[in-house]
Amino acid sequence: GAGVSQSPSNKVTEKGKDVELRCDPISGHTALYWYRQSLGQGLEFLIYFQGNSAPDKSGLPSDRFSAERTGGSVSTLTIQRTQQEDSAVYLCASSSQTGRGGELFFGEGSRLTVL
Amino acid sequence: DAKTTQPPSMDCAEGRAANLPCNHSTISGNEYVYWYRQIHSQGPQYIIHGLKNNETNEMASLIITEDRKSSTLILPHATLRDTAVYYCIVPNYGQNFVFGPGTRLSVLP
Repeated sequence: GAGVSQSPSNKVTEKGKDVELRCDPISGHTALYWYRQSLGQGLEFLIYFQGNSAPDKSGLPSDRFSAERTGGSVSTLTIQRTQQEDSAVYLCASSSQTGRGGELFFGEGSRLTVL
Repeated sequence: DAKTTQPPSMDCAEGRAANLPCNHSTISGNEYVYWYRQIHSQGPQYIIHGLKNNETNEMASLIITEDRKSSTLILPHATLRDTAVYYCIVPNYGQNFVFGPGTRLSVLP
């Protein structure tokens, strides 16, 4: 596709359930980021993939959160045993080149509501 | 990331220029300055970026001081639709983009 695609756009789940959020970056983009944004708050960095390098997981808030990126393209963010405080919009972004003139392209986000 | 400092909020009259400052005193020679904005309920939108020279595009102008320790984003004729949170980011090469709290710009009629 032309842009970053995220699915589902909306997810409502019960506390304790696992959820998977998908991000399909722009073709050829080597860098992929996950952020989350709680209501009325700023963007919180979660994890960053760059090519074949080990991902930067420094922003993951707990071991219930994990992410993988298969074949250097699609990424899945998994939240296990969801809690109400996990409710947020989860944003994915991709870039062709970081720090040297490459801009981030964001998806529309996945809104997660944990009841 | 080089740390950036922005005022938490600013107001601007519709039709006037909006000048948003950013301090990045620890920036190193090969680090770019990026500006993004986030309009309510939408994902962040790229505005402009620069390294040393001033830059201009259809959205805005970016003025970077000669010592590169600060920059100013200029929206030449602000409209109500420019009301948003504006983020100034200086990512290290090969490292991640970390968004700070940004500047909440309110364009007033």
